[in-house]
Amino acid sequence: SQQGEEDPQALSIQEGENATMNCSYKTSINNLQWYRQNSGRGLVHLILIRSNEREKHSGRLRVTLDTSKKSSSLLITASRAADTASYFCATPREYGNKLVFGAGTILRVKS
Amino acid sequence: DAMVIQNPRYQVTQFGKPVTLSCSQTLNHNVMYWYQQKSSQAPKLLFHYYDKDFNNEADTPDNFQSRRPNTSFCFLDIRSPGLGDAAMYLCATSRDAGGTYNEQFFGPGTRLTVL
Repeated sequence: SQQGEEDPQALSIQEGENATMNCSYKTSINNLQWYRQNSGRGLVHLILIRSNEREKHSGRLRVTLDTSKKSSSLLITASRAADTASYFCATPREYGNKLVFGAGTILRVKS
Repeated sequence: DAMVIQNPRYQVTQFGKPVTLSCSQTLNHNVMYWYQQKSSQAPKLLFHYYDKDFNNEADTPDNFQSRRPNTSFCFLDIRSPGLGDAAMYLCATSRDAGGTYNEQFFGPGTRLTVL
């Protein structure tokens, strides 16, 4: 069963703008992760936020987590053409040895 | 650099002809995973190994098998590929199965075409 649901499904913005992607999940978690996938490639881990954290930053990335609403958001600031990719949220299933991925958001940054 | 390597990157096989995809890692991670990803979909976990312990997903078809002869290598065997098995196959590793240290490291994937 799919744990994470993401919106929007697709997002197209101009270079320099900010991009926000949202993820909702169903069950209790101890962490939530975001991954990026460039076309035809494997996934790359971006950031992990633990359930006791509300916000985390990494470079131009900002992730928030609201466990009461079972939702997370990924903000990419000052986007670049190289940020064009699919972005997936992932949550652990069972004891954390498996990740369940959301359907992903396809981000296109136009230069 | 420590990494996850998948070979080949592109594999073409015929309907019903067995095929093996390989994955190796230099990260010395305990856990290795195989995912199937179809176009514009999320990766779907097929199975994973925690050390030598094999864990199959309930909905993984019997057509898919895996072997992990040592810590570094893991293989995905598709015994009789069907047209519906055409997909990207992703191998991933993680340091530990539990707690919060379950960040996964992915290989570049093998794109399988079934003719």
